[in-house]
Amino acid sequence: DTAVSQTPKYLVTQMGNDKSIKCEQNLGHDTMYWYKQDSKKFLKIMFSYNNKELIINETVPNRFSPKSPDKAHLNLHINSLELGDSAVYFCASSRIGTEPYEQYFGPGTRLTVT
Amino acid sequence: LAKTTQPISMDSYEGQEVNITCSHNNIATNDYITWYQQFPSQGPRFIIQGYKTKVTNEVASLFIPADRKSSTLSLPRVSLSDTAVYYCLVCNTDKLIFGTGTRLQVFP
Repeated sequence: DTAVSQTPKYLVTQMGNDKSIKCEQNLGHDTMYWYKQDSKKFLKIMFSYNNKELIINETVPNRFSPKSPDKAHLNLHINSLELGDSAVYFCASSRIGTEPYEQYFGPGTRLTVT
Repeated sequence: LAKTTQPISMDSYEGQEVNITCSHNNIATNDYITWYQQFPSQGPRFIIQGYKTKVTNEVASLFIPADRKSSTLSLPRVSLSDTAVYYCLVCNTDKLIFGTGTRLQVFP
């Protein structure tokens, strides 16, 4: 069973379009995250949600909007896509416990903006 | 704001012990240190986490000195399948800062 899943795996789109990436976790975790990994492999946190509440909201353009319909889902909507948005986006989840920052990552969504 | 620095790359041979050090001079009192492994085209995978002194699990050890300004991930007897990028992460409930990553290449 897939623990953290993302759809789509690949997304190719043109500048100016609006797109969404979906993330679901079946681990019963209460915290979910979105990360961006650029071409140089730098991993940068974008958002984190705990029980549907926004906890971390790093400095990202407001064209990026996370949406958490329930604690098992955290979707990422991107408006007016730009060339610089091309990257791999990872969703992750974790629960508070013995290892509070043991995050489980999804397989990633490779976004290419042309 | 805590910033983490790691060597860009390291080479090793099968069976050797590999130590990867991460510098985090501005670590805060409530920050934890976590290490992840990432293979190409996959998401990072948790390896180990610690706050101070030494932590050991079935795959690695993590050494954290008293001042906590650095940490060292130790991989005993590496194999070819340990070839990957290793990231250190300084984190607390409202901060998650990944290092730049160390690309470990293991040779036969």
